[in-house]
Amino acid sequence: QVQLQESGPGLVKPSETLFLTCTVSGGSISNYYWSWIRQSPGKGLEWIGYISYSGSTNYNPSLKSRVTISQDTSKNQFSLKLNSVTAADTAVYYCARDRTDYGGDSANYYYMDLWGKGTTVTVSS
Amino acid sequence: SYELIQPPSVSVSPGQTATISCSGDKLGDKYVCWYQQKPGQSPVLVIYEDNKRPSGIPERFSGSNSGNTATLTISGTQAMDETDYYCQAWDSSTVIFGGGTKLTVL
Repeated sequence: QVQLQESGPGLVKPSETLFLTCTVSGGSISNYYWSWIRQSPGKGLEWIGYISYSGSTNYNPSLKSRVTISQDTSKNQFSLKLNSVTAADTAVYYCARDRTDYGGDSANYYYMDLWGKGTTVTVSS
Repeated sequence: SYELIQPPSVSVSPGQTATISCSGDKLGDKYVCWYQQKPGQSPVLVIYEDNKRPSGIPERFSGSNSGNTATLTISGTQAMDETDYYCQAWDSSTVIFGGGTKLTVL
């Protein structure tokens, strides 16, 4: 079955760049949308952004200026880059597979049906 | 920006029916899904497109959505259902999560 696994540094210094990768096994990243979601300690879920099978992206407006999501279909991976991190970016970061009927510029439904186990990232000097 | 409002906590007795609400402007015009998240684990989808259950999710989980409120209903609540639940919708090409509800079974 399809599995997702996040990987990357567990500690990042303030003002530096956070870079995480999600490796998808048991299936291809083509034909799906993929998201990054994070959860600060003791808080709720925050959507970061998605990348489509065609490479189009969309981001949470609150993070848009600092976020880039990309994909490497040859490695069956997609990645998250978050610039200029602060302590407020300390969180568990999840990757997830999205299900949507997105077509043109609209969608009726959008949800995440499969999640990785998450990786903890701490921003500290 | 669009907001989804959930009660921070809901309590239910074992075997009874738990209802968790999720409110948003004209939410009934959107599709809503629900996730269950147990401590230290990643979220699990329990309801999608308002009222559909993914394979493997017990029948005691059901959903509805009308007007400004979506509801997750857990019938015959069990101790294992005690955890956090999040609603989620799609608005203006972005994913919106509710703040989460902690369900206590006591």
